[in-house]
Amino acid sequence: DGGITQSPKYLFRKEGQNVTLSCEQNLNHDAMYWYRQDPGQGLRLIYYSQIVNDFQKGDIAEGYSVSREKKESFPLTVTSAQKNPTAFYLCASSLAGASYNEQFFGPGTRLTVL
Amino acid sequence: AQTVTQSQPEMSVQEAETVTLSCTYDTSESDYYLFWYKQPPSRQMILVIRQEAYKQQNATENRFSVNFQKAAKSFSLKISDSQLGDAAMYFCAYRSGTGFQKLVFGTGTRLLVSP
Repeated sequence: DGGITQSPKYLFRKEGQNVTLSCEQNLNHDAMYWYRQDPGQGLRLIYYSQIVNDFQKGDIAEGYSVSREKKESFPLTVTSAQKNPTAFYLCASSLAGASYNEQFFGPGTRLTVL
Repeated sequence: AQTVTQSQPEMSVQEAETVTLSCTYDTSESDYYLFWYKQPPSRQMILVIRQEAYKQQNATENRFSVNFQKAAKSFSLKISDSQLGDAAMYFCAYRSGTGFQKLVFGTGTRLLVSP
C-alpha cells in the first residue's frame, strides 16, 4: 500500500539531546514537509523540500534541521537549540508543481522532553 | 502574510443533525485554494473537502459542503446528518495558487457528536 510512515510513534528525549524523527513515503512524491502541532494551535511549517538535495526553512525552523538525500526520505532532527520541543510532529508529501496537489499526511510522532 | 481564523474552539451536535463550522481568512491574492481537514483521535490528518477560489460553485462531498463567500473571505463547513464518526478536530487551511504549496492552518474547531 502506498503511504507515509513516521517512526517512532512516541519519542522521549532528555534535555540537551538531539533526536531524529523518521519520515518515509512510497508515493513517488517530489515534495515533502514537516509540521509541528501544539495544543490550541494549528499546524505550523518547519521545513519543506521540493526536490532531492534541496530544502527550505518554513515558519519555525529554528532549532531544527533536515536532510533530503533520497526522494523517499525526509528525516527531521530536533536539536538541543530547540527551546520547547515537546509537540506532535507531522510529515506530509505531495507532487510538486504550481497547480494543486493534495498533501498526504503521515500518522505523526509525539515527542516529549523529560 | 495570509492568516486563517477559526473562532469556534468547540462545537456540539447531535447525531443526524446539521452543524456549521466557521472559518475566515485574510489574503490579498486572487488565486488560492481552501481546505477543510479532519483530525480524529488517531491524529491522522484527513482531507475532507477543498475549494478553488476561481470556482463560484460551492464544493460538496457527500454529507460535507462548504459555503464559500469570496468577497467576505469566509469559508464555512456544513456537516449534514452528523454521525458519531464525525467527532474530531477540524482545521481550515489556505494555500496560495502560485508558487510553493505552503498550507496555512487555522487553530481548529473540536466537534463533539452526541447520540
